[in-house]
Amino acid sequence: DTAVSQTPKYLVTQMGNDKSIKCEQNLGHDTMYWYKQDSKKFLKIMFSYNNKELIINETVPNRFSPKSPDKAHLNLHINSLELGDSAVYFCASSQNQGFTEAFFGQGTRLTVV
Amino acid sequence: AQSVTQLDSQVPVFEEAPVELRCNYSSSVSVYLFWYVQYPNQGLQLLLKYLSGSTLVKGINGFEAEFNKSQTSFHVRKPSVHISDTAEYFCAVSAGGYQKVTFGTGTKLQVIP
Repeated sequence: DTAVSQTPKYLVTQMGNDKSIKCEQNLGHDTMYWYKQDSKKFLKIMFSYNNKELIINETVPNRFSPKSPDKAHLNLHINSLELGDSAVYFCASSQNQGFTEAFFGQGTRLTVV
Repeated sequence: AQSVTQLDSQVPVFEEAPVELRCNYSSSVSVYLFWYVQYPNQGLQLLLKYLSGSTLVKGINGFEAEFNKSQTSFHVRKPSVHISDTAEYFCAVSAGGYQKVTFGTGTKLQVIP
């Protein structure tokens, strides 16, 4: 029974396309996150939602738009994909706003060609 | 602002030898500290965490870490490593009460048979 699940696991697409990554958690957590891991393994937070409300929005291009239909889901939509968007994107969740522990999904490896 | 420094990008160690992975942080407020492990092509898994109380914390797979406030360090150790410990290890810091977590750049632990 996967706690935080992301789909798809791999995504290969052409420049200029629009794509979405879905994330669901069955832990009953209030807070969900999107992280980007670049080719050097550097992890950087992109967004954080608490009870469907946007809490953290780092300096991410507005081509990236998160959507939280309910507190168990946080999807990431990316418009007009660029080569530099190629990375592994991780969804995570934590019980509350204090980030006492986060559970991560398996990641989505996005390759833009 | 908070930051994390992982002093070693790669640590090769022979099987059954001890290992220490180093992490230093900076923050103007009290912090929560974490170590996460990422196995190849996997998401991040919590190894151990310090929130408060005893400065020596034990984690999964025989790892332990000590929070040293005066040295602003949170190094993790294992007395005897196994091949299965080969992975990337990330130190992370969260300023108490905030969701924003800052990750270090990772240390690749390579266990040599």
